[in-house]
Amino acid sequence: GAVVSQHPSWVICKSGTSVKIECRSLDFQATTMFWYRQFPKQSLMLMATSNEGSKATYEQGVEKDKFLINHASLTLSTLTVTSAHPEDSSFYICSAPLGGGNTDTQYFGPGTRLTVL
Amino acid sequence: KNEVEQSPQNLTAQEGEFITINCSYSVGISALHWLQQHPGGGIVSLFMLSSGKKKHGRLIATINIQEKHSSLHITASHPRDSAVYICAVRYNYGGSQGNLIFGKGTKLSVKP
Repeated sequence: GAVVSQHPSWVICKSGTSVKIECRSLDFQATTMFWYRQFPKQSLMLMATSNEGSKATYEQGVEKDKFLINHASLTLSTLTVTSAHPEDSSFYICSAPLGGGNTDTQYFGPGTRLTVL
Repeated sequence: KNEVEQSPQNLTAQEGEFITINCSYSVGISALHWLQQHPGGGIVSLFMLSSGKKKHGRLIATINIQEKHSSLHITASHPRDSAVYICAVRYNYGGSQGNLIFGKGTKLSVKP
């Protein structure tokens, strides 16, 4: 079946540094990928929609200058948390749809746990 | 306001019991997903359905479009089924890439 990978699986960084998270579709092409954030004991919240070859679409309340998204190829999207602060500590998950229509199946990455000290 | 409500929030069962987790949503949707999230955080898509019923092994998912309600059933539950089960819906935004709205999840613990 389709597989989505994320790298790294966890990262600890100092406040003020930038962290890049990669999301790859391993055996299919994804013109769209979704980035989610999950705080402890909370549900997943969509942060942004990553579109190959064009600008990402950000959800209300998500700072596009802080969470930089680059969808450089049909199999790779990256999320860069710039000038990370402790409140950015969270579990970041990406997903990619296989199909492209409204009823496409979503494949989720394993997630990246970010801890900002 | 688009909402996805799950019940119960927490569920403890004995091995072998039949389990039902419910999901309700508020407006028309194009698809509903049932997801499984293990303690490590990784998410597995169990089902995607827009009507009727689907079965995979011991898992059964049903959806009633008129009542805006879906259920996930686990037959002959096992401790390895312990996880958080999340319902997510794609509302009818009109576009082809409507995003998912997630419920808060149901934490299931199956005791041996």
